[in-house]
Amino acid sequence: NFMLTQPHSVSESPGKTVTISCTGSSGSIASNYVQWYQQRPGSAPTTVIYEDNQRPSGVPDRFSGSIDSSSNSASLTISGLKTEDEADYYCQSYDSSNVWVFGGGTKLTVL
Amino acid sequence: QVQLVQSGAEVKKPGASVKVSCKASGYTFTGYYMHWVRQAPGQGLEWMGRINPNSGGTNYAQKFQGRVTMTRDTSISTAYMELSRLRSDDTAVYYCAKGIVVVPASPDPHSDYWGQGTLVTVSS
Repeated sequence: NFMLTQPHSVSESPGKTVTISCTGSSGSIASNYVQWYQQRPGSAPTTVIYEDNQRPSGVPDRFSGSIDSSSNSASLTISGLKTEDEADYYCQSYDSSNVWVFGGGTKLTVL
Repeated sequence: QVQLVQSGAEVKKPGASVKVSCKASGYTFTGYYMHWVRQAPGQGLEWMGRINPNSGGTNYAQKFQGRVTMTRDTSISTAYMELSRLRSDDTAVYYCAKGIVVVPASPDPHSDYWGQGTLVTVSS
C-alpha cells in the first residue's frame, strides 16, 4: 500500500524558514498531485498548497510547495515564520485506486 | 459561498450504528464528489471513501468495506455517511470534504472545502 511519511514534529523560531518533508513509500511521488493541509486545534483542515505547488487565494506567499523526484518526496516550506503558523500539517496524495492517502502529520512549533 | 454544514455530535454504544449528515450549499451539489475523512483523538487524518452525488456511486477504503455506507439526497443537497457495528476505536471526528473535479472525472486529487466535523463517541 502506498504510504506518505512525515516527521512527527519540527520547531523553529519566528522569522525563520522551516521545511516539512513528505516521503512516498513506492512509485513516483511526482506521478500524482500532493496537497498540504494546515490544521489548528479544534478546527477542520484547510488547504495551504494544492497540486504540488499551488496556493489557494488567501494563503500568503510565505507558503510554498515542491517535489523532489530524486528523494521521492514533497516539501512544504514556510518562510518568515509567524506564531500563527503553529499548527499540524498534513500532506495528502492518492493512489492508483483513487484512494486518498494522508501523511501522519507534522506538528509545527514556532518558539 | 461554499458551505458544508454537518450534523451534531453523537454518542453511541458499541455495536450500534451512526449516520452523519453533511448539507452543502453555494455550489452544484451533484457536480462534485463528496469525500469522508475521519480523525481519532490525537491522531491523523484517515480517508473513508467518496460518493458521486450525481450517480450515487461510491468508493470505500478497504478498511471500512462492509461497515460504511455513503448515500445522498439530491433534493436537499445532503450527503450521509453511516458507519455500523461501532467499536470504541471508531471514536473520532468525522469530516465531509468537497472534491474539486467535476463528476464523473477521476481521479479527484483533493478537496477545497471541508465541513466543521462531527464528533462521534463510542462508549458503553
